[in-house]
Amino acid sequence: DADVTQTPRNRITKTGKRIMLECSQTKGHDRMYWYRQDPGLGLRLIYYSFDVKDINKGEISDGYSVSRQAQAKFSLSLESAIPNQTALYFCATSDPGTGGRETQYFGPGTRLLVL
Amino acid sequence: AQSVTQPDIHITVSEGASLELRCNYSYGATPYLFWYVQSPGQGLQLLLKYFSGDTLVQGIKGFEAEFKRSQSSFNLRKPSVHWSDAAEYFCAVGPTAGGTSYGKLTFGQGTILTVHP
Repeated sequence: DADVTQTPRNRITKTGKRIMLECSQTKGHDRMYWYRQDPGLGLRLIYYSFDVKDINKGEISDGYSVSRQAQAKFSLSLESAIPNQTALYFCATSDPGTGGRETQYFGPGTRLLVL
Repeated sequence: AQSVTQPDIHITVSEGASLELRCNYSYGATPYLFWYVQSPGQGLQLLLKYFSGDTLVQGIKGFEAEFKRSQSSFNLRKPSVHWSDAAEYFCAVGPTAGGTSYGKLTFGQGTILTVHP
């Protein structure tokens, strides 16, 4: 089984709808992240969480919210979806390692289309 | 602020040819550097990483990368490309010890690799 899973893998929704993307991991990592990928822009950080009680905004958090339900689960919500939130969304987890030598491991992604 | 530039948006090579994908970074300290690959319809897979020590790093699938501090570069290489290497490749810079170590990776724009038979 995959270490980092994301559901759904594909989603089509309409403008104004609330949707939730879910991420689960079996790696036992405390740190989890949500990124979005747009063509030509690479990946940009939306939110990150260092443990269940620690949640922080990334560089593009407007229009998004997150919930860290447990060490293994980190959900991303779009409160009122808009077309420019159409993108590929990735969840990642990491172990901080020693001396900051942190490696992130990514899920398979959720492709979201907002009409 | 840290930044990463991948100058080549799209590269085409013939199967069996050598490959070099360029990555230049801007960072105020010794960087941690990563290369990830995204195959069509797949997530990101870690190819290799550099934290310190030997500047030539070996990764999976026959890839290697060389950290050159003087050129602020971390180019990815493979001596002989296979058709299955066709994918998008991302270079990323990560936080280092002593910095604001909140785990933020800064990614380049990506390079799409096409392999001709």
